[in-house]
Amino acid sequence: EIVLTQSPGTLSLSPGERATLSCRASQSVSSSYLAWYQQKPGQAPRLLIYGASTRATGIPDRFSGSGSGTDFTLTISRLEPEDFAVYYCQQYAGSPYIFGQGTKLDIK
Amino acid sequence: QVQLVQSGAEVKTPGASVKVSCKASGFPFSNYYMHWVRQAPGQGLEWMGIINPSGAITDWAQNSQGRLTMTRDTSTTTVYMELSNLRSEDTAVYYCARGNYYYYYFMDVWGKGTTVTVSS
Repeated sequence: EIVLTQSPGTLSLSPGERATLSCRASQSVSSSYLAWYQQKPGQAPRLLIYGASTRATGIPDRFSGSGSGTDFTLTISRLEPEDFAVYYCQQYAGSPYIFGQGTKLDIK
Repeated sequence: QVQLVQSGAEVKTPGASVKVSCKASGFPFSNYYMHWVRQAPGQGLEWMGIINPSGAITDWAQNSQGRLTMTRDTSTTTVYMELSNLRSEDTAVYYCARGNYYYYYFMDVWGKGTTVTVSS
C-alpha cells in the first residue's frame, strides 16, 4: 500500500506570494496517477489537478502540478485570498486510493 | 448541471447501521464509477470504497471491509453507502464522489457531504 506524506503540515503565506506544496509517496506512483484537491472549511473537496500536472476544468492557471515517481509538487504562483484552504494529494495508481494527510495554507 | 445530492444528517447509536444516499444528475450515471470518502471531525480525507457502473464490482479500503456495502440504482440514478455495526470512530462527514470517466479512480465531482454522528 502506497503511503503519501505531505509537507509542510501548515504553510503561512501572504496574498501575492508563491506557494509550494509537497507530496511524497512511499513507492513510485505509476503513470503519475496523482491528483490534488482543495478543501475550504465546511465545503466538499474540489479537484484541482490530475495526472500530476493536468488542471481540471475551470481551475485557474496560477495552479500547477509537477513531479513523477515518488515526488510531486503543487505550486500556486500568486496567492489569491480565496486560495487559503487545505490541499490534499491522492494517488490512484492502485487500491487503496488513499489521500495524503493534507497541507493547510493559511494567511500570514 | 452535474451534481450529486446527498441525504440528510443522521444520528445513530453504537451498533446500529446507517444508509446514506447520493442522487446524481446532469450526467450519464450508468457510465461512471462512484466513490465514497469520509472525513472525521478535524481530520483528513479517508477513501472508503468504489462501485463500478453496473454495481457488480466494488472495492473497499481494508478498514471498511466487512461493514461497508455500496449499491446503486440506475433507474433512480442513486448510489447508496451502508455502514453497519457503527462505532463512535465512524462519526464523520461522508462524501459521495464521481470517478473520472477515463481514469475511474480519482474524483472529479463531489457531493456536499452527509454528517453521521454515532453517539450513545
